[in-house]
Amino acid sequence: DGGITQSPKYLFRKEGQNVTLSCEQNLNHDAMYWYRQDPGQGLRLIYYSQIVNDFQKGDIAEGYSVSREKKESFPLTVTSAQKNPTAFYLCASSIRVDYNSPLHFGNGTRLTVT
Amino acid sequence: AQSVTQPDIHITVSEGASLELRCNYSYGATPYLFWYVQSPGQGLQLLLKYFSGDTLVQGIKGFEAEFKRSQSSFNLRKPSVHWSDAAEYFCAVGSNDYKLSFGAGTTVTVRA
Repeated sequence: DGGITQSPKYLFRKEGQNVTLSCEQNLNHDAMYWYRQDPGQGLRLIYYSQIVNDFQKGDIAEGYSVSREKKESFPLTVTSAQKNPTAFYLCASSIRVDYNSPLHFGNGTRLTVT
Repeated sequence: AQSVTQPDIHITVSEGASLELRCNYSYGATPYLFWYVQSPGQGLQLLLKYFSGDTLVQGIKGFEAEFKRSQSSFNLRKPSVHWSDAAEYFCAVGSNDYKLSFGAGTTVTVRA
């Protein structure tokens, strides 16, 4: 079955450590996205990538970094510079960055930093 | 910049009853509007979208939404709710630069 795989489902880290969240898709989509979800708030866009080796900052990119070396993979690194990293992180993909291309979401990674 | 308001944080509805979730948006141009549903611990799934044309749009799982430009609203409805409709629902508006802004969500509880 085609889809988006995010791993792990739960992740625990100590403050001051960088952590990388995995996102893999086998939908052959060009565009990939990372969103952050906090209780009582909507999703906020961290980074997105329209094509391999290209990515743009979203609304809350500070303290995060990404890479897009392969079409199917878009890992997100939460750095120690991110002031409030505990959240639910969602990866998504679409055929292209276009409203006629609906977003397909993974099941998310819940990151807890103590 | 665009924004979305979902006035209801939590709604409880009886199984078989009708459901209406409110969404108000702010955007200067013609909006691209979406409703997504999220089951606990899962990603989001697109229910329906509106770009132009008929202001009443049909989606999956028996949902529909009506765009009312004069009220800047895009409310989601379902005539008869099933227990499996218990989830969190997000309204989103898109701008011309293909960035989506999501509302804070409405949690729906279905009682037997």
